[in-house]
Amino acid sequence: KAGVTQTPRYLIKTRGQQVTLSCSPISGHRSVSWYQQTPGQGLQFLFEYFSETQRNKGNFPGRFSGRQFSNSRSEMNVSTLELGDSALYLCASSSTGSAEAFFGQGTRLTVV
Amino acid sequence: SQQGEEDPQALSIQEGENATMNCSYKTSINNLQWYRQNSGRGLVHLILIRSNEREKHSGRLRVTLDTSKKSSSLLITASRAADTASYFCATDARGGSEKLVFGKGTKLTVNP
Repeated sequence: KAGVTQTPRYLIKTRGQQVTLSCSPISGHRSVSWYQQTPGQGLQFLFEYFSETQRNKGNFPGRFSGRQFSNSRSEMNVSTLELGDSALYLCASSSTGSAEAFFGQGTRLTVV
Repeated sequence: SQQGEEDPQALSIQEGENATMNCSYKTSINNLQWYRQNSGRGLVHLILIRSNEREKHSGRLRVTLDTSKKSSSLLITASRAADTASYFCATDARGGSEKLVFGKGTKLTVNP
């Protein structure tokens, strides 16, 4: 069974630009969550999607958005990038009713 | 928001020794999980302990949970150089709006 796949692995963007990150969950998993990891703030929850609906949302500005498609693949978008958005963005998928999360390798975003 | 706080922040031991990491959290939980992260990559699920359990074992790992003190510990016995990584506790808070709330992690170095 293939694991969680995140693309791209690395990304360099300029302040003010926008970026879209992609996550393909483990086959059969309908829940996809996104996390931001920085040295200063650690791992912070962004949002969770289940069956194309946002189920939970963390404390991030509206510049951070996401969506989930009918095949459970998910994308997150960050608009008007700021230097502070530089981080490792991690996606995790879970099977229905399970608390265990399976993480992808992450997308390392650098904003210059 | 960080619910869990790991202690110590960093731990350096010799191969063969045991490593103990502690985690404290703030609110009532459904379960607590421990994850490992190698060098800024994805997180790997290690073990989950439910709020009505006090101790759980998995191979060389032993996890305890004390809900009265809102704390958990992870013991890695007979450590190996390959155990070098950061270890995070994550809580699935009751009634919480976040999928998983992570602590800041313990960076473990096992010297050969």
